[in-house]
Amino acid sequence: QKEVEQNSGPLSVPEGAIASLNCTYSDRVSQSFFWYRQYSGKSPELIMSIYSNGDKEDGRFTAQLNKASQYVSLLIRDSQPSDSATYLCAVRGYSSASKIIFGSGTRLSIRP
Amino acid sequence: NAGVTQTPKFQVLKTGQSMTLQCAQDMNHNSMYWYRQDPGMGLRLIYYSASEGTTDKGEVPNGYNVSRLNKREFSLRLESAAPSQTSVYFCASSESVQGEAFFGQGTRLTVV
Repeated sequence: QKEVEQNSGPLSVPEGAIASLNCTYSDRVSQSFFWYRQYSGKSPELIMSIYSNGDKEDGRFTAQLNKASQYVSLLIRDSQPSDSATYLCAVRGYSSASKIIFGSGTRLSIRP
Repeated sequence: NAGVTQTPKFQVLKTGQSMTLQCAQDMNHNSMYWYRQDPGMGLRLIYYSASEGTTDKGEVPNGYNVSRLNKREFSLRLESAAPSQTSVYFCASSESVQGEAFFGQGTRLTVV
């Protein structure tokens, strides 16, 4: 079992709709959770970080964390064509707190 | 404000050759990381350094060595390159054992 799992997609969403991206992780005592966006040929850039159970909102983006279910998600409201990218979920553990493990990424396509 | 700088940006090696990828950060971060990214595989952790003077294996360390030269610099060495090491390599750094990682621009390595 991979430490961090995501559906690879592609996920196709119409412009203006809500895109929902999901991620599960295996280390029950993980402490920090991140969502990165990566455009083709570019470096990953941080969108959201979340550390506590519940929702965290930043503009059109909402991260949701459920530690009991070992599940973290990212919602993108009012999706725009510029949101088309690969979204990477990353998890920082507790036992080896410096290690950051990434999922394989979900490719999101926003269709006009 | 350069952030994380990787050199070189592109490299072609012949099988069996050696080379060192260089990474430097100017954010006074404690932790540094090397990842590789292959199509559909997300980012896989090769080695990381929690702090100056320490290094640890990640998910895919075989065929690589690292050196944390000082707080700013973290190098990745391929002693005898193999075609399976053809990939995009990213260096990253983070301030603390909770915070997010910031990425360099990547090195595209081809081994023929």
